[in-house]
Order: sequence, then C-alpha cells, then structure tokens
Amino acid sequence: AQTVTQSQPEMSVQEAETVTLSCTYDTSENNYYLFWYKQPPSRQMILVIRQEAYKQQNATENRFSVNFQKAAKSFSLKISDSQLGDTAMYFCAFMEQGAGSYQLTFGKGTKLSVIP
Amino acid sequence: DGGITQSPKYLFRKEGQNVTLSCEQNLNHDAMYWYRQDPGQGLRLIYYSQIVNDFQKGDIAEGYSVSREKKESFPLTVTSAQKNPTAFYLCASSKRWGQNTGELFFGEGSRLTVL
Repeated sequence: AQTVTQSQPEMSVQEAETVTLSCTYDTSENNYYLFWYKQPPSRQMILVIRQEAYKQQNATENRFSVNFQKAAKSFSLKISDSQLGDTAMYFCAFMEQGAGSYQLTFGKGTKLSVIP
Repeated sequence: DGGITQSPKYLFRKEGQNVTLSCEQNLNHDAMYWYRQDPGQGLRLIYYSQIVNDFQKGDIAEGYSVSREKKESFPLTVTSAQKNPTAFYLCASSKRWGQNTGELFFGEGSRLTVL
C-alpha cells in the first residue's frame, strides 16, 4: 500500500517570501502521479499542481513549483512570492497510474499561514 | 457554472439515527468519491463509483452506504453502525479512467455533528 507523509503539520511565512512544503511517499510502483491540493479556509479543495513520475522535469504553475526526487521519493512544493490568499491547508497526494486506477492517497496536510 | 454541490453544509444528528448527505455534480464526470476529513488525519476514502449502478468500498467504508442511480448524484448515508460519525465529509468527482489524470473536483463539504 502506498503511504504519503507530510512531516510539517504547520508552517508560516511572511508575505512575499518563499516557503517550501515537504512530502515523502512510499510505493513500489514505477508509474504514478503526484499532486498538491490546496484547501483554503472556505473549504473547497482545488488542485495546485501535478507531476507525472515518468517526467524528469519539475512541474511549475506560476508561483508554484515542485522539486520531484524520484529516487528519494520526495515531492516538495515551493511557493514563491507568498500571498495572503495562499493561507490554506496543503495536501500532498499520490495516485498509481494504471488500469482502473482511481484512488488518491492523501497525506495528513500542512497548515500554511501567510503573515502580512 | 459547472461544479459539485453538497448539502446540507451543517447537519446535526442524534445517536442511533441514519443521515444522508447529498452530492450532485454537473461536470458530466463518470467517477465520484466520498472522503472523510478529520483534524490531523488528512482525507480518507469512504466509497467511490466509476460508473452508474456500480461502486466500491474505500479504506473506511464500515458504517456507511452509498448509491449511484444517476450519473449526477452520489448520496452518502451515515448509518447508526458508524461508531464515530462526527466529521467533515467531502464529495468529489473526476473524469473516467483513461481520461483521469488525478484531478479531483471537490464540493464545499458537509459537517456532521452527532449529539
């Protein structure tokens, strides 16, 4: 079974600064997806960024980028130029890529507070 | 606008009562999911459905039941057999297998409190 570990329950960052959220995972699969989801205080969770394991290039989405280290099974999220709207719970998630694959495994989340 | 609607947002229940949480989507997604969220526990999968009239148990299905009679709807019943039902429940949907790259679309959630 796959497991996803987020070792930082809470973090804070000053507005306009950069912060990195950590995530490690455990799997015996070679093909999979990794994700970061954001859950703002309003509670509707949204996808921030996705990484396919076969791609060596790290995914980026505007101010959000990842550092994907497949051998180390590490998948960290970097938020640059932090904004107040980035305050949220962030969940790292894993999905096996293959026939009938539907299930995401989530980490326990990191609560990020952006301080003005 | 397309999206997922969960109702009610807040629900109170007495012990021993069943309660049904509604989830409706107009995204034309084949797959739908129910997750339970507890503080410090992340999201845990209760049930999921890949197609109408079919569903599978997730990691914590005991004490819950679902139905999928329509593509748009995936209601969750929390039964009296669920020992600790007080939680935040999230419904989600996604494209079907073959088109599914892992992006889930979530509703705003339903908070159930057992008195």
